[in-house]
Amino acid sequence: EVQLLESGGGLVQPGGSLRLSCAASGFTFSNYPMTWVRQAPGKGLEWVSAISSSGDSTYYADSVKGRFTISRDKSEKTLYLQMNNLRAEDTAVYYCAKNLLRTWGSYEYWGQGTLVTVSS
Amino acid sequence: EIVLTQSPRTLSLSPGESATLSCRASQSLGSTYLAWYQQTPGQAPRLLISGISNRATGIPDRFSGSGSGTELTLTISRLEPEDFVVYYCQQYGVPPFTFGGGTRVEMK
Repeated sequence: EVQLLESGGGLVQPGGSLRLSCAASGFTFSNYPMTWVRQAPGKGLEWVSAISSSGDSTYYADSVKGRFTISRDKSEKTLYLQMNNLRAEDTAVYYCAKNLLRTWGSYEYWGQGTLVTVSS
Repeated sequence: EIVLTQSPRTLSLSPGESATLSCRASQSLGSTYLAWYQQTPGQAPRLLISGISNRATGIPDRFSGSGSGTELTLTISRLEPEDFVVYYCQQYGVPPFTFGGGTRVEMK
């Protein structure tokens, strides 16, 4: 059974940093691209960042480019999102998601999400 | 970036009726790189359709996707009570892989 378990969310002051983790199990982690998607309270889904199966290719939304870094650890089967210089508008539930196929594509499995609150 | 505009924002229908949800892309997707998701309050999104028209595992056949170019459609026939939630389209052809703003299907 595929499982994605996010952690690392919490309350942080503007300008601060957090690192989110997503522990994956139930599939061959190194075969699939992975993605972070966020949802601000009461708002729609916002695509944040994606990383290829090898980790060689990464993409970011303009809203986080230069502040967030996506990475993955094959041995730990874990996806990360390093978030720096956080702003109030980064407040959201952050979901990690597994691609349906072994290439860029739709998201077949999602974690339960971790809440990040940026506030003083 | 490709902007996806979903319409209408809210659709008011009764159980048993059909729903037609639209997703318009700011530029042609070129291929079939579009998906639809369903989200129930408090839960993670659920993949319904990928490749414009391919239902995901376990998705009932009352959900269907169609369209091409810049105009895509999700049709839900014979609405069930559990279908009255929010739906999002997403393109994964050109990074950043953007989502539409969502359509809420509410019970009349």
